[in-house]
Amino acid sequence: KNEVEQSPQNLTAQEGEFITINCSYSVGISALHWLQQHPGGGIVSLFMLSSGKKKHGRLIATINIQEKHSSLHITASHPRDSAVYICAAPRKDNTDKLIFGTGTRLQVFP
Amino acid sequence: NAGVTQTPKFQVLKTGQSMTLQCAQDMNHNSMYWYRQDPGMGLRLIYYSASEGTTDKGEVPNGYNVSRLNKREFSLRLESAAPSQTSVYFCASRRDQSNQPQHFGDGTRLSIL
Repeated sequence: KNEVEQSPQNLTAQEGEFITINCSYSVGISALHWLQQHPGGGIVSLFMLSSGKKKHGRLIATINIQEKHSSLHITASHPRDSAVYICAAPRKDNTDKLIFGTGTRLQVFP
Repeated sequence: NAGVTQTPKFQVLKTGQSMTLQCAQDMNHNSMYWYRQDPGMGLRLIYYSASEGTTDKGEVPNGYNVSRLNKREFSLRLESAAPSQTSVYFCASRRDQSNQPQHFGDGTRLSIL
C-alpha cells in the first residue's frame, strides 16, 4: 500500500465547475505538500500545510490531521487549471525526504 | 531569476553509454534532490544532498552516482545506461531541512535504447 494515495486518478470538468482532489497518507507528517505539474512538465509547489486551511486565489487546500486526509479545491475552474496535481508528505525517518502520490490528472474543458 | 536549471532537456543514449545530468540552483539553497518520474508512479528520490559535501541515497539509487560539487551544483551520473533508466529526471532544491517548499527544474527527458 502506497503511503500517499490520491483520488481520483483522472478528472474532467467543465469550465466553472468546483473541483476537489483528495489525498490520504499513512505516515505521520509535519507538513503536507501540494504541487502542480504543467502539461509541459514543469513542477511548482502550490501549498505546504500542517493544519487547517490555506487559500491562494481560486485554490484552497485543507488538511485533517486526525483523519490523515487533505483536499485541494479549485473554485470556478478554468482550462488553464488543466494539469497534474500531486500531493507529497515527508518521511517519518527523514523529514527532508518526500513521498509523492501518483498524481491526479485534471482536464478542464471550455 | 533562473531558480533551478537542468541540462540537457532531452537526451538519447545507447545501452552502456555514460552521461552526466547537470543541475544548478541560484537560490543559495542547502538541500538538493534528484528524482525520476515514470508513468503511473509518483516521483521517486534517487539521491539527495542535505548540504555541500554530503550526499545520501534515496529510494532508487542503483545505477546512479551523484556529486555535490559546491553549494550551487548537484550532478547525477549514469555510468552504464540501461533501458530501465529511461525516465524523466527532475532536480529540486530547498532552503534547508525545515518545512520549506521544494523548487524544481524543468526536467530532463532521457531515453536509453
